[in-house]
Amino acid sequence: AQSVTQLDSQVPVFEEAPVELRCNYSSSVSVYLFWYVQYPNQGLQLLLKYLSGSTLVKGINGFEAEFNKSQTSFHLRKPSVHISDTAEYFCAVSDQGFGNEKLTFGTGTRLTIIP
Amino acid sequence: DTGVSQDPRHKITKRGQNVTFRCDPISEHNRLYWYRQTLGQGPEFLTYFQNEAQLEKSRLLSDRFSAERPKGSFSTLEIQRTEQGDSAMYLCASRARDRGVGTEAFFGQGTRLTVV
Repeated sequence: AQSVTQLDSQVPVFEEAPVELRCNYSSSVSVYLFWYVQYPNQGLQLLLKYLSGSTLVKGINGFEAEFNKSQTSFHLRKPSVHISDTAEYFCAVSDQGFGNEKLTFGTGTRLTIIP
Repeated sequence: DTGVSQDPRHKITKRGQNVTFRCDPISEHNRLYWYRQTLGQGPEFLTYFQNEAQLEKSRLLSDRFSAERPKGSFSTLEIQRTEQGDSAMYLCASRARDRGVGTEAFFGQGTRLTVV
């Protein structure tokens, strides 16, 4: 079984400032890692994913994340945020087995951009 | 292809009534998932289909819940005798035919259920 912890439920950031959204996971097996974004009244959209290889992955909208196996973390970063980045961000994992690859999500971090 | 489609977008029902939601996945996506998202929480896995076969159900899926995918295309999720605790956003996601692990799951916009 896996679990995902997003310690920050809300993160306010000034426009054009950098941001880091934290994600830690727990699993007894190797996992794939994902970040999804959810805009108000919308479904989830994939920002980026880590499957293997380079631990720094780049996604859409200028976001990137770094996989740290020893710290079981997958923090999301953006060097300069925009008003349009205001949304809920979810970290998720799925196991690397040949099963159904269902996603286990964290509780989300609400990112609010202050003009 | 317009993505994963869910209908209705919103549903208000009285406690004790039955409701049914529909999900149309992306064409030729053979894998389909249902998740439930309550306020302030992340989505939680409910059930998974590969083609028409329901291969896994979460313990969250009580006996009042049933899901089908009769022809391996669209899926329905029915809740019988709704309770106020069923109020949530119900999300559907689909994934392409096996192209290796880690393929992206595409989500619909969800059906928001309110039980009054």
